Amino acid sequence: EVQLLESGGGLVQPGGSLRLSCAASGFTFSTSWMHWVRQAPGKGLVWVSRLNSDGSSTAYADSVKGRFTVSRDNAKNTLYLQMNSLRAEDTAVYYCTRGRGFSAYDQRFDPWGQGTLLTVSS
Amino acid sequence: QSVLTQPPSVSGAPGQRVTISCTGSSSNIGATYDVHWYQQLPGTAPKLLIYDNSNRPSGVPDRFSGSKSGTSASLAITGLQAEDEADYFCQSYDSSLSGYVFGTGTKVTVL
Repeated sequence: EVQLLESGGGLVQPGGSLRLSCAASGFTFSTSWMHWVRQAPGKGLVWVSRLNSDGSSTAYADSVKGRFTVSRDNAKNTLYLQMNSLRAEDTAVYYCTRGRGFSAYDQRFDPWGQGTLLTVSS
Repeated sequence: QSVLTQPPSVSGAPGQRVTISCTGSSSNIGATYDVHWYQQLPGTAPKLLIYDNSNRPSGVPDRFSGSKSGTSASLAITGLQAEDEADYFCQSYDSSLSGYVFGTGTKVTVL
């Protein structure tokens, strides 16, 4: 069974840092592009970042560029999201998801993890 | 940040047909980038429902169908069932933003 399991969420003060992890199983992680998508409470979905299969190419939403860093360990089948300089508006459930498609432009997201909640508040 | 516009809500009686529109622009849907649709049941993670405009992943009932024309796309649900009550999101790529964009989301209510 294809599965993604996020962890690492929690309560952080504004300006703080946190690292999310996403453990993958049931598919060939090392050949899969991966993404992070977030959803603020009661709001819609917002794409956050993308990482290609070997970790050599990244992309970020403007709202997190320079503050978030996506990385992966293919030996551990794990995706990471390092989040620095956190703001209240970063409060959301963070989902990791596998990207499927032939290029960077036709990525669809399937499957999704269950999500991990980040709350940024003093 | 949503650059794809959807109606906030649609509703229908069991067995009826409902459609959800997703309106974009020349930098996303109109630029021939594919549109994908997701279903999010209450309290759960999103699930891929339609990919590449009109294709259904294995296991998705054929009551769900997608189409795309110009700068817009649509999701249709025929034979509406109570279990279809959920939020639905469209998604594509945007060349101006150099990233992926989602629709504003539509809540489907079964009367």
